[in-house]
Amino acid sequence: RKEVEQDPGPFNVPEGATVAFNCTYSNSASQSFFWYRQDCRKEPKLLMSVYSSGNEDGRFTAQLNRASQYISLLIRDSKLSDSATYLCVVNVGSYKLIFGSGTRLLVRP
Amino acid sequence: ETGVTQSPTHLIKTRGQQVTLRCSSQSGHNTVSWYQQALGQGPQFIFQYYREEENGRGNFPPRFSGLQFPNYSSELNVNALELDDSALYLCASSLRTGARDYGYTFGSGTRLTVV
Repeated sequence: RKEVEQDPGPFNVPEGATVAFNCTYSNSASQSFFWYRQDCRKEPKLLMSVYSSGNEDGRFTAQLNRASQYISLLIRDSKLSDSATYLCVVNVGSYKLIFGSGTRLLVRP
Repeated sequence: ETGVTQSPTHLIKTRGQQVTLRCSSQSGHNTVSWYQQALGQGPQFIFQYYREEENGRGNFPPRFSGLQFPNYSSELNVNALELDDSALYLCASSLRTGARDYGYTFGSGTRLTVV
């Protein structure tokens, strides 16, 4: 079983749609949680950290459920520029990030 | 503020050869981590360097080795290259304060192809 699991997609949505991605992690000792965005053939870039209380950054909302070991990302009013791969990332201990395989999002006009 | 820079950007090597990849960390960062990202997969942790010593290692064989220099830059060396080593190699720097790392920043990577 992978340490961080994501639906690979692709999710193909029209502009303006709301789309949600889910992620589960296996290590209950995980301490920090993130969503990264990766454009084709580029490096991953931090989209947002995820907190137990839930947090929002503009059109993006992230949620964490520690009891279920589940993380989500909601994107409202999708833009063409949101097309990318979204990586769910977990930090266990102090030194390494564990990445999921990513969920691909395609936003069409 | 200078970001993380990696060199070279692309590289083609023959099976059995050795390769050295380089990374300059972001200004103010003291920790460097290396990741391997195969096509269609998420990055996989190789190892991390802090205070010029290996601080943690993922599930990679000993032919993957590294160095960190006093200026916090780093090298990743891979010996006896195999076809499966073809991947994007990412370097990330961060600032370790106490027991936590902050400000993880990735370089744009080195794309290695082994033929």
